Amino acid sequence: EADIYQTPRYLVIGTGKKITLECSQTMGHDKMYWYQQDPGMELHLIHYSYGVNSTEKGDLSSESTVSRIRTEHFPLTLESARPSHTSQYLCASSGGRWELFFGEGSRLTVL
Amino acid sequence: KNQVEQSPQSLIILEGKNCTLQCNYTVSPFSNLRWYKQDTGRGPVSLTIMTFSENTKSNGRYTATLDADTKQSSLHITASQLSDSASYICVVSDRGSTLGRLYFGRGTQLTVWP
Repeated sequence: EADIYQTPRYLVIGTGKKITLECSQTMGHDKMYWYQQDPGMELHLIHYSYGVNSTEKGDLSSESTVSRIRTEHFPLTLESARPSHTSQYLCASSGGRWELFFGEGSRLTVL
Repeated sequence: KNQVEQSPQSLIILEGKNCTLQCNYTVSPFSNLRWYKQDTGRGPVSLTIMTFSENTKSNGRYTATLDADTKQSSLHITASQLSDSASYICVVSDRGSTLGRLYFGRGTQLTVWP
């Protein structure tokens, strides 16, 4: 079992609200990632970090932002949620060359 | 364009039967290929990881094969169980950074009926 945790697991909010999806790992991994996944579609990388104070945008353009102030914590924030942000967001971390561990995901619904 | 294509898109089998899922990729250069299992509403969990020099790897009832020449991989599930019902995702990594850039397939949705 991977020690990577996401909260909340499910979130339903109204348009215009600010939300933060939390992701924490206790494995001491330097590399962390956020992916977006829609039903029947492939995962798309939206943000990644190779260490504290290091964040980069991924392949899929996203209006979300991330921060990496502590090694174990990689939160994702949407300043003003819209229905187009409805999706599943998966956090992942990697400590070795090949390993990639995923959290359980946060399913966001914006009304 | 680097791509990962999986087939079939969905599959229904009876409990106890075997099945094989396919993954074709065009990613180049190639570093490794992974198979993940994703239960509904959960995060993906790694089943196998294979590098260029490996052509088969097993994890319990799951056996993955890799033909790097034809850029094809398969995941064989033996004696299926109800708990095998999930989406199986093929992921290919190139030789970019330490982790490599990852290319995800859309998954095969497997349903096992009693």
